[in-house]
Parts: sequence; C-alpha cells; structure tokens
Amino acid sequence: DAGVIQSPRHEVTEMGQEVTLRCKPISGHNSLFWYRQTMMRGLELLIYFNNNVPIDDSGMPEDRFSAKMPNASFSTLKIQPSEPRDSAVYFCASSFVSGSSYEQYFGPGTRLTVT
Amino acid sequence: ILNVEQSPQSLHVQEGDSTNFTCSFPSSNFYALHWYRWETAKSPEALFVMTLNGDEKKKGRISATLNTKEGYSYLYIKGSQPEDSATYLCAYLYNFNKFYFGSGTKLNVKP
Repeated sequence: DAGVIQSPRHEVTEMGQEVTLRCKPISGHNSLFWYRQTMMRGLELLIYFNNNVPIDDSGMPEDRFSAKMPNASFSTLKIQPSEPRDSAVYFCASSFVSGSSYEQYFGPGTRLTVT
Repeated sequence: ILNVEQSPQSLHVQEGDSTNFTCSFPSSNFYALHWYRWETAKSPEALFVMTLNGDEKKKGRISATLNTKEGYSYLYIKGSQPEDSATYLCAYLYNFNKFYFGSGTKLNVKP
C-alpha cells in the first residue's frame, strides 16, 4: 500500500481564496483524521470520521472550515475564505479502529501558505 | 481542552547515552496513550499504543511504560544513535475518539 496520500503537498494562495486539501486513506481503514500543525499550538485534531461519518468536529476552528468524506477512499478539507492565520501544515491520518487500541498512519502533510 | 504535557521540551545527548522523557496526561476517561516518532520533514510514525495500566512495550532500543492511575508514561531510549534524533510525541486518547497531543520532546543525538 502507498500509505496515506495527500495532495497538494504545498499550496500558496491569497487571502480570500478557497482552498481544498485532499486525502486518500489507506485501503481498508475505517477512520480518518484531519490535523493542523502550527508553531503556536502544535498538532491539533480538527475532525474525525468513522465509516465516512463525521464523529467529532469540535476541533474545526470556525465556519470557514468544512470537511467531507463522500466515500471510504477520499476526504477533503476546505477553507473558504482562507486567511493568513490558516497558514499551517495540515495532516491527514487513517486507522482501522477496533476497540481502543489502534495506530494512526499519517500522510506527508500539505503545507498551506495564505498571503 | 485537556492538558497533555511532555518534558523536557528538548534534549541533547551523546551517541551511546541512554535517555528518557515523560508524558503526563489526565488520569480520567483514559482510553489509550500513543507514542509517535516525528522526524524533520516527515510525518509522525506510530511507535507504541498503550492501553493498560502497567503496560510495558519495547521496540528495539526503545521502550515505554504506562501508569494510568497517576497519569504518566515514560519513553526510554537505550544507547542513543544519531538516527534516533527526532521529536517524540505522545497522544492521549480521551473518550475513545478524541486525541490530545503533547508538544513533543525534541531529541538530538550527537555522534
């Protein structure tokens, strides 16, 4: 398996533009996590899907952020409109959740710069 | 927001030294404690998933212990090598699906 795939790897956009980040989880995994990493706050969980259903989106910073998982092999994180403070590295991770013992496998991340 | 603390923030050791660092977490509603290794310009990789009080896990020269009653986990590296240089993150799994990450311990092993 190729592991968790994220695209694009780097994104530079202007303030106010819509940004869409993409993630393909590992085949067979039933859970997907979106994280944001910043210098100030470290690694933060934004949203968690289980069997394509959003279970917990309490980490999503505000209404400008939305995430979807239309099927088991694809998820998007959208920011509309983007702001400079959204600049960060966004990681997607997937896992097979069964009980409380499960490892997360992280993608390479998307480095977002909003100017 | 739950507090997960890691100490020290950074550590510089010589090749061959053994070292350890700490992850402290709330002792209530504990589901699991994960350790990840995060090399610069890469993504975090899982080292250990620990669920039971008193758990001890080992992978090569790296081992970890867990005390859920007092809310801490130790990560040990025996005979550090330069390739062990990375940031070591712990993540506390609260209420089954909520992960809270510590800020990490950045380890630098000098040859």
